[in-house]
Amino acid sequence: ELKVEQNPLFLSMQEEKNYTIYCNYSTTSDRLYWYRQDPGKSLESLFVLLSNGAVKQEGRLMASLDTKARLSTLHITAAVHDLSATYFCAVGQKLVFGKGTKLTVNP
Amino acid sequence: EAGVAQSPRYKIIEKRQSVAFWCNPISGHATLYWYQQILGQGPKLLIQFQNNGVVDDSQLPKDRFSAERLKGVDSTLKIQPAKLEDSAVYLCASATRGSYNEQFFGPGTRLTVL
Repeated sequence: ELKVEQNPLFLSMQEEKNYTIYCNYSTTSDRLYWYRQDPGKSLESLFVLLSNGAVKQEGRLMASLDTKARLSTLHITAAVHDLSATYFCAVGQKLVFGKGTKLTVNP
Repeated sequence: EAGVAQSPRYKIIEKRQSVAFWCNPISGHATLYWYQQILGQGPKLLIQFQNNGVVDDSQLPKDRFSAERLKGVDSTLKIQPAKLEDSAVYLCASATRGSYNEQFFGPGTRLTVL
């Protein structure tokens, strides 16, 4: 059974600093997704990572995938307030989700 | 392009009552999913349809939950009878039969069972 773990589960960030959240998964998979969820809202697709070594960037967010280590990272560069949300990774064709990482950016 | 539509957005019922949720996927998306998201957790897949056929319902509590997608477009998810632990957001998602199966989520229905 595929298990997905994210850490940290909560992250309080200071503006303009850099942070990384991690997504580990237990069995081999050919795809990994990152989603963002604002309070009371649905999930917004951020990145789809399909191969070992894949790196994608959008604004202040960069996601990477290491299929050999079964690890994906979401790197946040120079955090700003509008990045405050919960971020989920999901693995596999049938999307097994982690518990999410709640990010809060403080001035 | 219109997104995934769901209704109602909110529903409050008492335990042992019945409830139904509706989903209209993005036009042309053959695959439709229902997820349950309990507060503080990630979504959990309940059922996956490909056109009007069920692909995976292994995590659907079939004694009380049912779902259908009769014409391969809209879908309904029903709970009968509801329990307190069914309180959650029910998310519908759809996807094309593409190479990476990116799913697009609707706004969800927040169910509270009292």
